[in-house]
Amino acid sequence: DADVTQTPRNRITKTGKRIMLECSQTKGHDRMYWYRQDPGLGLRLIYYSFDVKDINKGEISDGYSVSRQAQAKFSLSLESAIPNQTALYFCATSDSPPRAFFGQGTRLTVV
Amino acid sequence: RKEVEQDPGPFNVPEGATVAFNCTYSNSASQSFFWYRQDCRKEPKLLMSVYSSGNEDGRFTAQLNRASQYISLLIRDSKLSDSATYLCVVASNFGNEKLTFGTGTRLTIIP
Repeated sequence: DADVTQTPRNRITKTGKRIMLECSQTKGHDRMYWYRQDPGLGLRLIYYSFDVKDINKGEISDGYSVSRQAQAKFSLSLESAIPNQTALYFCATSDSPPRAFFGQGTRLTVV
Repeated sequence: RKEVEQDPGPFNVPEGATVAFNCTYSNSASQSFFWYRQDCRKEPKLLMSVYSSGNEDGRFTAQLNRASQYISLLIRDSKLSDSATYLCVVASNFGNEKLTFGTGTRLTIIP
């Protein structure tokens, strides 16, 4: 079983719909991250959390929200999906010094 | 200027050759450095950390030059299985270690 698990792995949704991407980890790390990856733009940080009570915006947080339900769970929501949110989304955890461990990714398509 | 910059490539290299990539970073306060490998449509995976004195792991050698603010990755005796995208990663802000990814360098090893 993967140490960092993302669900769903693939999702097609319509413009304006609310969607939640979930992430759970068994590595026992406090730090968790959500990234999106687009061709030519690399990985961009959406939100990150250093513990259950800590939530921080990344470089591209507009249009997204997160919830850290427990040390092991960090979910990403798109309140009203739009087509330019079509991307590959990765959840990651890290220890210190910050070596990141990624989930397998969620391929999201907004039509 | 991007925080982390890499030559996107592609680098097309014959099997058995030696290949080197560089990556520059803009924040002189950066504390931790890594190389990740990402296969097509897969999650990034940690290849190696980069230490100040340089470090080696089998056919892979990583170097850090703090004065010039760049890190490098050298792959010797390249294998077909080395074909992937290599991501340079920098952690800035000591005590608030947020990872910043380069856009990656694509490497193809040719038989």
